[in-house]
Amino acid sequence: AQSVAQPEDQVNVAEGNPLTVKCTYSVSGNPYLFWYVQYPNRGLQFLLKYITGDNLVKGSYGFEAEFNKSQTSFHLKKPSALVSDSALYFCAVRDTRSSNYQLIWGAGTKLIIKP
Amino acid sequence: EAQVTQNPRYLITVTGKKLTVTCSQNMNHEYMSWYRQDPGLGLRQIYYSMNVEVTDKGDVPEGYKVSRKEKRNFPLILESPSPNQTSLYFCASSLRGVNTEAFFGQGTRLTVV
Repeated sequence: AQSVAQPEDQVNVAEGNPLTVKCTYSVSGNPYLFWYVQYPNRGLQFLLKYITGDNLVKGSYGFEAEFNKSQTSFHLKKPSALVSDSALYFCAVRDTRSSNYQLIWGAGTKLIIKP
Repeated sequence: EAQVTQNPRYLITVTGKKLTVTCSQNMNHEYMSWYRQDPGLGLRQIYYSMNVEVTDKGDVPEGYKVSRKEKRNFPLILESPSPNQTSLYFCASSLRGVNTEAFFGQGTRLTVV
């Protein structure tokens, strides 16, 4: 069965420190992987995606993510956190063999950046 | 501006009173979805549509209906809402394809009392 796990409900980071939000996945075929961010009272916004090629993907707002096929992971990273990065982050996967283009979502990780 | 527009943003209703949440996108996307978001459960797909007049069930379709008469609109219908449908609902659209990202509406917070 296809699934996405975000093992941490909440991640706390001091402003200026590097941050990592973890995501692991399970699909039967090859994965297309996505990260989205949700600010309070807003819809989800696309951050970045891995389709193929370079395992390090760069996205919006200085975020990047590293695809690791052997560990089936796609962790979100940022070298220096900002207070404005505080939000809810979702990882999602789509199987390349999917016929209905369904996205499978993680439960979300609340990121809190403290000044 | 490219966007997905949902209405209303907030709705409180009573059990059994039919309601419709509208969703419209201006990006000419073929694929549209409805999700519900509940704490600790992430997003669960309710229904999706590959194109006009083509809809199918997602993971949690019970108690919901949809229609896709026009490409831009994808309304969500609750014929007889119940308290367990209290949730945050999102409409999303994208181009068809496994490598495309979805664009989301602002969300509709529904409370059924």
